[in-house]
Amino acid sequence: NAGVTQTPKFQVLKTGQSMTLQCAQDMNHNSMYWYRQDPGMGLRLIYYSASEGTTDKGEVPNGYNVSRLNKREFSLRLESAAPSQTSVYFCASSDRGSTDTQYFGPGTRLTVL
Amino acid sequence: RKEVEQDPGPFNVPEGATVAFNCTYSNSASQSFFWYRQDCRKEPKLLMSVYSSGNEDGRFTAQLNRASQYISLLIRDSKLSDSATYLCVASGTGGFKTIFGAGTRLFVKA
Repeated sequence: NAGVTQTPKFQVLKTGQSMTLQCAQDMNHNSMYWYRQDPGMGLRLIYYSASEGTTDKGEVPNGYNVSRLNKREFSLRLESAAPSQTSVYFCASSDRGSTDTQYFGPGTRLTVL
Repeated sequence: RKEVEQDPGPFNVPEGATVAFNCTYSNSASQSFFWYRQDCRKEPKLLMSVYSSGNEDGRFTAQLNRASQYISLLIRDSKLSDSATYLCVASGTGGFKTIFGAGTRLFVKA
């Protein structure tokens, strides 16, 4: 069991470039989440997917889009990267929604120049 | 005011010490509470869930006071390997999901 995997591990973008962060889980979990973590701010929820076929905005959705491709995969897209999106991005999954334990991927460190 | 607030830290303690972390949450609709541990440059991992009756896992004890909207974590007999950041979490359903505190850094020294 790999748990939650994320690609890439590191990425450097120029302002205005686009990219997609990939996330997959092999635990047959229903819910998946994307967070960003900035110093002193803690983890903040960007988007979540309560179940396959549904997505909802979290606390900081502006500048991002998501796709729940199937039960296993949940991708996060930056259409036009900005320096304010420099952060560490974590994907997570849980079986029974947000009140259940969440399992995190190893994270993607993104720098936008 | 942040929805989940934690002691700012860092806490610097010697091996064998007992250390307590506090956390308050503002949303009374919160239903589930957790402590996660995060090592430097790693992902958060569940340390323990927090129940109203209090719960213990080895050297770790978590308490929840719903009336005061307060969560605590007690670590007894600290080990070097306990050095990490501890994240307090409150979550619910409907429009309110999961809110993480900013974390409290712990350094345990020999």
